Amino acid sequence: DAGVIQSPRHEVTEMGQEVTLRCKPISGHNSLFWYRQTMMRGLELLIYFNNNVPIDDSGMPEDRFSAKMPNASFSTLKIQPSEPRDSAVYFCASSSTGTGSYEQYFGPGTRLTVT
Amino acid sequence: AQSVTQLDSHVSVSEGTPVLLRCNYSSSYSPSLFWYVQHPNKGLQLLLKYTSAATLVKGINGFEAEFKKSETSFHLTKPSAHMSDAAEYFCVVSNKEYGNKLVFGAGTILRVKS
Repeated sequence: DAGVIQSPRHEVTEMGQEVTLRCKPISGHNSLFWYRQTMMRGLELLIYFNNNVPIDDSGMPEDRFSAKMPNASFSTLKIQPSEPRDSAVYFCASSSTGTGSYEQYFGPGTRLTVT
Repeated sequence: AQSVTQLDSHVSVSEGTPVLLRCNYSSSYSPSLFWYVQHPNKGLQLLLKYTSAATLVKGINGFEAEFKKSETSFHLTKPSAHMSDAAEYFCVVSNKEYGNKLVFGAGTILRVKS
């Protein structure tokens, strides 16, 4: 089975540029989560969706960040404009609410470097 | 409210010796508990999960964890460490109050010496 797919795996961009990260959840999963991981702050939940609807975006750091889930098999996280402090590894995870056990399956991550 | 405390930020063991990574949790409702492992420059991989069935849970790569409600603990163990076990381990809790959000511990870095 294909796991969670993220692209790109690495992204290097200059400050001020727009960055778009992409995620394809596991087929059949109806919840999708975006996380950010840094050495300083550890793993932070940015936003999550149930059935393509954003449920909790309280972790989104500021208006420069936005996320969409236009259908059950695709989500994007956009940063515009990007800043050096956005440098981090961004993970996407998916789960199925039907199991009742809440485990999430993580993608390999996108390592973002903003110079 | 729910929270997770991983009691050791770093653990160092010799190859072939037992591994013990400690985790305490608090949860207002019956919890689901997980251990995830993250190898360097990799994503998080589910190691094992507890969801109110058997209190001793077996996971991948020879790891297991025991849910002890009286002690609010969910320690991770392995009888014999392998070099490939060197990674960071996260204890995670969830419950129905938080829907399907996970609460992560701060992580324990396991070092395995040859």
